[in-house]
Amino acid sequence: AQKITQTQPGMFVQEKEAVTLDCTYDTSDQSYGLFWYKQPSSGEMIFLIYQGSYDEQNATEGRYSLNFQKARKSANLVISASQLGDSAMYFCAMREGENNFNKFYFGSGTKLNVKP
Amino acid sequence: EPEVTQTPSHQVTQMGQEVILRCVPISNHLYFYWYRQILGQKVEFLVSFYNNEISEKSEIFDDQFSVERPDGSNFTLKIRSTKLEDSAMYFCASKGEDSYNEQFFGPGTRLTVL
Repeated sequence: AQKITQTQPGMFVQEKEAVTLDCTYDTSDQSYGLFWYKQPSSGEMIFLIYQGSYDEQNATEGRYSLNFQKARKSANLVISASQLGDSAMYFCAMREGENNFNKFYFGSGTKLNVKP
Repeated sequence: EPEVTQTPSHQVTQMGQEVILRCVPISNHLYFYWYRQILGQKVEFLVSFYNNEISEKSEIFDDQFSVERPDGSNFTLKIRSTKLEDSAMYFCASKGEDSYNEQFFGPGTRLTVL
């Protein structure tokens, strides 16, 4: 089974609108971390937001928020007020277990296009 | 702001040749990783490294691969005899003890094996 599933290969959003990128995960660990990274066309991986499995509040970082639904094992990324510079690939990732240096599992990514 | 750097940005090599991909992690970080991303596919874990030894490696990381931290600042990935299927973007990442949890990724090295 896939550890991380991103079911939207591509998404379009109008500039200034909000968009939700889906991510579901599969783990039997009680302790885990969920991450979103942005990959522009230049290729680098930019950290956006983190959610710990024990965090009761949804994580927020500026225009990014993470809609964490533990029972559904989903960790959707919400980008509010989309900007043209948000056009990129977005990867959801998970780190399993107590050790916060464990490897990451990545999803297949969602390519977001922001239309002017 | 400190960042992970990787050289070269693009490497072209002939099948069967050895390549060394170089990374300079963030200076006070202790955990180091290599990931790869075949074009159009997901990012895959290769190996993690801590305290001068491999912590974990994936099935991809076979005997053709090795990692080294030769001088306390560089972290290298060597592929002894490259195959066509090794063509990918290779990302180095590092993490500190007090990092917020995320791994900091370098800009990647695009390896093309002909």
